[in-house]
Amino acid sequence: DTEVTQTPKHLVMGMTNKKSLKCEQHMGHRAMYWYKQKAKKPPELMFVYSYEKLSINESVPSRFSPECPNSSLLNLHLHALQPEDSALYLCASSPEGQGRETQYFGPGTRLLVL
Amino acid sequence: QQPVQSPQAVILREGEDAVINCSSSKALYSVHWYRQKHGEAPVFLMILLKGGEQKGHEKISASFNEKKQQSSLYLTASQLSYSGTYFCGAGGGSNYKLTFGKGTLLTVNP
Repeated sequence: DTEVTQTPKHLVMGMTNKKSLKCEQHMGHRAMYWYKQKAKKPPELMFVYSYEKLSINESVPSRFSPECPNSSLLNLHLHALQPEDSALYLCASSPEGQGRETQYFGPGTRLLVL
Repeated sequence: QQPVQSPQAVILREGEDAVINCSSSKALYSVHWYRQKHGEAPVFLMILLKGGEQKGHEKISASFNEKKQQSSLYLTASQLSYSGTYFCGAGGGSNYKLTFGKGTLLTVNP
């Protein structure tokens, strides 16, 4: 099973709302990633968790708060977002978090901030 | 640092071949190739590791020239299903970060 699942598929939220994105994998991978992708642009790395610890934060604004409750789950908590945060949010996982590994992407959550 | 992809876009007729290039000004330890169709997630194609190698999967293959810090993706006898945006990702040696190029939009017409 090489599947990464993400919920919800679509999300519309106001600038004062609090919402969460969820990601799950059952491949036994120990590294999980959040990417942000704007239209016609490549995915941009936001956060990396390795063995349930945050290992990379690419200077992401604090209105995005990641959480890794266990090795299979990854959440992204959203609060007070701006319209420019509207994008496709992709979750990925890889076995150990090494640069030589394949990262498997989930289908993404398409977020619209009004 | 973001790898540079070329061309930005290419249009093919079914059955034609294409080459997509990816180059980096920094040392490349691994190159990851993905294809993304509109509205979908990136799908892994192949990974090439430092040491210079070539890989193939049916009619899609890739090479990695470590000396030139370049990788090329070869698509032969293209099919309609090959249409999409192709991204190369530059991977670090031991760190987790994958930095993607801007992508190459490939369109295959009947």
